[in-house]
Amino acid sequence: GDSVTQMEGPVTLSEEAFLTINCTYTATGYPSLFWYVQYPGEGLQLLLKATKADDKGSNKGFEATYRKETTSFHLEKGSVQVSDSAVYFCALSETLAGGTSYGKLTFGQGTILTVHP
Amino acid sequence: EAGVAQSPRYKIIEKRQSVAFWCNPISGHATLYWYQQILGQGPKLLIQFQNNGVVDDSQLPKDRFSAERLKGVDSTLKIQPAKLEDSAVYLCASSLEPQGIHEQYFGPGTRLTVT
Repeated sequence: GDSVTQMEGPVTLSEEAFLTINCTYTATGYPSLFWYVQYPGEGLQLLLKATKADDKGSNKGFEATYRKETTSFHLEKGSVQVSDSAVYFCALSETLAGGTSYGKLTFGQGTILTVHP
Repeated sequence: EAGVAQSPRYKIIEKRQSVAFWCNPISGHATLYWYQQILGQGPKLLIQFQNNGVVDDSQLPKDRFSAERLKGVDSTLKIQPAKLEDSAVYLCASSLEPQGIHEQYFGPGTRLTVT
């Protein structure tokens, strides 16, 4: 079945440092890929997405590129802020032949990011 | 626009007791999902509704869990009887429709502790 593997956490960085959170996936079809973020005390929010190979999703300074050859979707940000401290989840949604996605999300285990001033 | 509402936010029960969670999705969203998030893990889909019909309940422990979505709007998830391993956050999400890549909007979750 489908699965998503994220790098082990937690990750602790100083403000303005470069961030990479690794994500790899296993899927039988043509998945869409997502990064969700959960800020302290809040619900899960979509951060960015990519729906086909070589697409780059971006939002709030975060980027991730859909790499089919390496089955990866690594999250990056050039300069993190204290306000980026949160739990980040990589996820996929299977897109069946014919372009129909049934919406079910398969999540990785999450990576806790803490940014210090 | 109002977000996905869930209640209660917290619940503590003893094992073998029953519990129910309620979810009100965003108005007009046809698809509703219930996820279970155990501490330290990512959310796992329990059941997916399209309007008031079940699309996927393959990972729902049907001997103790049940869910319904009457009239295709609100939904209730029930556990009876609860086990210690059911301690988790139960997340409800909704989207416009499953076809295509429609964003899922998540509620704040219900944190269940089974003692």
